[in-house]
Amino acid sequence: DGGITQSPKYLFRKEGQNVTLSCEQNLNHDAMYWYRQDPGQGLRLIYYSQIVNDFQKGDIAEGYSVSREKKESFPLTVTSAQKNPTAFYLCASRTGSTQDEQFFGPGTRLTVL
Amino acid sequence: AQKITQTQPGMFVQEKEAVTLDCTYDTSDQSYGLFWYKQPSSGEMIFLIYQGSYDEQNATEGRYSLNFQKARKSANLVISASQLGDSAMYFCAITPVNQAGTALIFGKGTTLSVSS
Repeated sequence: DGGITQSPKYLFRKEGQNVTLSCEQNLNHDAMYWYRQDPGQGLRLIYYSQIVNDFQKGDIAEGYSVSREKKESFPLTVTSAQKNPTAFYLCASRTGSTQDEQFFGPGTRLTVL
Repeated sequence: AQKITQTQPGMFVQEKEAVTLDCTYDTSDQSYGLFWYKQPSSGEMIFLIYQGSYDEQNATEGRYSLNFQKARKSANLVISASQLGDSAMYFCAITPVNQAGTALIFGKGTTLSVSS
């Protein structure tokens, strides 16, 4: 079945540590996205990539980094520079057609201890 | 820049009632698309319905319909005959149509609670 997988589902991190959240899709989508969601809030865009080896900052990119070496994969690294990283992280992908919806992964819940 | 405003933090309805969730938007793009997603407590994002800015008809998908008023920049979601399983958070989102791969911009959402 085609879809988006994110791992791990739950992640605990100590302050000062970098962590990497995985996102893989087998939908053959060109574009991929990372969003952050805080409790009771909407989704805020962190980074997005429209094509392999290219990505753009979203509204809240500070303290995060990404790579897009393969079409299927778009990992997100939460660095120690991110002051308040505890949140729910959602990865999404989309075809090249802007009339198509974004497909989302199940999310990773990151907690900083 | 694009912006979505959802002014209703929470809505409460009884089963079988219809409910309207409000969404207003701001954009300088001539062509754009509007989306509605549902997020149950499990956290997954479920696509519900899409409306293109040049679509003449309001979009419908089963019990979901979109009341699109372009001049007022509103795209309200109407759920007919609410069910208990409709209890969730609902998000409105916008994206320009002629820029491939551009991200959806989301509102802050409305929490819908359906009671029996």
